[in-house]
Amino acid sequence: AQSVTQPDIHITVSEGASLELRCNYSYGATPYLFWYVQSPGQGLQLLLKYFSGDTLVQGIKGFEAEFKRSQSSFNLRKPSVHWSDAAEYFCAVARGGATNKLIFGTGTLLAVQP
Amino acid sequence: EAEVAQSPRYKITEKSQAVAFWCDPISGHATLYWYRQILGQGPELLVQFQDESVVDDSQLPKDRFSAERLKGVDSTLKIQPAELGDSAMYLCASSPGGAGIQYFGAGTRLSVL
Repeated sequence: AQSVTQPDIHITVSEGASLELRCNYSYGATPYLFWYVQSPGQGLQLLLKYFSGDTLVQGIKGFEAEFKRSQSSFNLRKPSVHWSDAAEYFCAVARGGATNKLIFGTGTLLAVQP
Repeated sequence: EAEVAQSPRYKITEKSQAVAFWCDPISGHATLYWYRQILGQGPELLVQFQDESVVDDSQLPKDRFSAERLKGVDSTLKIQPAELGDSAMYLCASSPGGAGIQYFGAGTRLSVL
C-alpha cells in the first residue's frame, strides 16, 4: 500500500535561514509526488509537483524539491525563509491515470522566528 | 482565477443532528473529491466522483455519510447522524482528471458538540 512519512512534526527556523522538510514515500512504481501548503483554517495550495523528468523541480514562492528514487524521498527546500512561510506543509503521493487519489503525510508545521 | 467554492465555512452542530456541506468545483473539472482532515493529520479521501459517478468511496462511513453529484457539477456531502468523532475539516477538491492537479477549496470546519 502507498504511504507517506513526514518525520518532522514541527520545525522552527529563523527568518532568512534555509529550510528542508523531509518526505519519504512507499510505492511500488514511480509515483506522482506533490507538496501542498496549508495556512491556518485554509485549504491546501499546491507548491510543486513531480511526475517525471528532471528530478529537481521548482515551485511557487521560491520552493524546490528533489526526487531521489534510491532514497524514496522527495524533500522540500527553500534557501531563505520568510515570515509568511509559516504554515503546515504536506507531502502527498498519487498514482497516475484515472484514479489519482492523493495519500498525504501527517504534515510538518513550520514556525518562523524573527 | 477560478476557485473551488465550499459552504458553509464553519458549522457547529450537536451530535445526532444532520449536517450537509456543499462544494462547487472549478468549471469543467470532471473529477471531484471529498477529503476529511482531522486536526493534526493529513487529509484522507472520503469519496471521489468522475462526473456524476462514484469512483472510490471505500473510506466513506456509509452508515452515516452520503455524497452525491447529481448533474456532474456541484456536490453535497451529508452526515446523519453526526457523532463527536466527525469533528474535522472537510475539504473539497476538483481536478480535470487523469494525472491532473487537484485544486482545493477552503474547507468546512465542523464541530460536533
